[in-house]
Amino acid sequence: QQPVQSPQAVILREGEDAVINCSSSKALYSVHWYRQKHGEAPVFLMILLKGGEQKGHDKISASFNEKKQQSSLYLTASQLSYSGTYFCGTGSNFGNEKLTFGTGTRLTIIP
Amino acid sequence: GAVVSQHPSRVICKSGTSVKIECRSLDFQATTMFWYRQFPKQSLMLMATSNEGSKATYEQGVEKDKFLINHASLTLSTLTVTSAHPEDSSFYICSARDWAGLTDTQYFGPGTRLTVL
Repeated sequence: QQPVQSPQAVILREGEDAVINCSSSKALYSVHWYRQKHGEAPVFLMILLKGGEQKGHDKISASFNEKKQQSSLYLTASQLSYSGTYFCGTGSNFGNEKLTFGTGTRLTIIP
Repeated sequence: GAVVSQHPSRVICKSGTSVKIECRSLDFQATTMFWYRQFPKQSLMLMATSNEGSKATYEQGVEKDKFLINHASLTLSTLTVTSAHPEDSSFYICSARDWAGLTDTQYFGPGTRLTVL
């Protein structure tokens, strides 16, 4: 079953913060985050592995709570370039390379 | 970073014809590639997993005789949509697995928009 993301869509002003959640009904080994702009391919942002780690680079970070089977992506001081649709891709087992992608969150940043 | 190319970017064909889409990993070797289909404003739906030197693994509901996959080398996978019909019109995206670096994840090609008339 497809992971559910929330919110489905959000509009922010430049400089505001956003949180995107990804919730799975299955036990997870890994969570991969991607951003896709309209008509383009998804771009890899980061991967989180089982162990509850938190990662980040620049103003984008993420956390992974394996017990709750959830991950959250944090965007701070959002920039116009952050606009796009964000997808989480979840992996269930180590060595199983298949990802199941979430429902997506459309983020629009306005000046 | 890992770069994946896809060709063609757009194709328009008549109903009943076959269309071949190529996916190449440009700066790394990919023993595994994936083919996805994406409808407007929807998520990526996995169609099949392509493994170099072996038969592809198809997801439930995907017709393997209609969507032929060949992974002939460590940098090239092809998807052929045979006898295409208007309902096959969609955005097809490939990805390549890169697990030689610090991360084991998928890098996506730019996609192919197929329109069947």
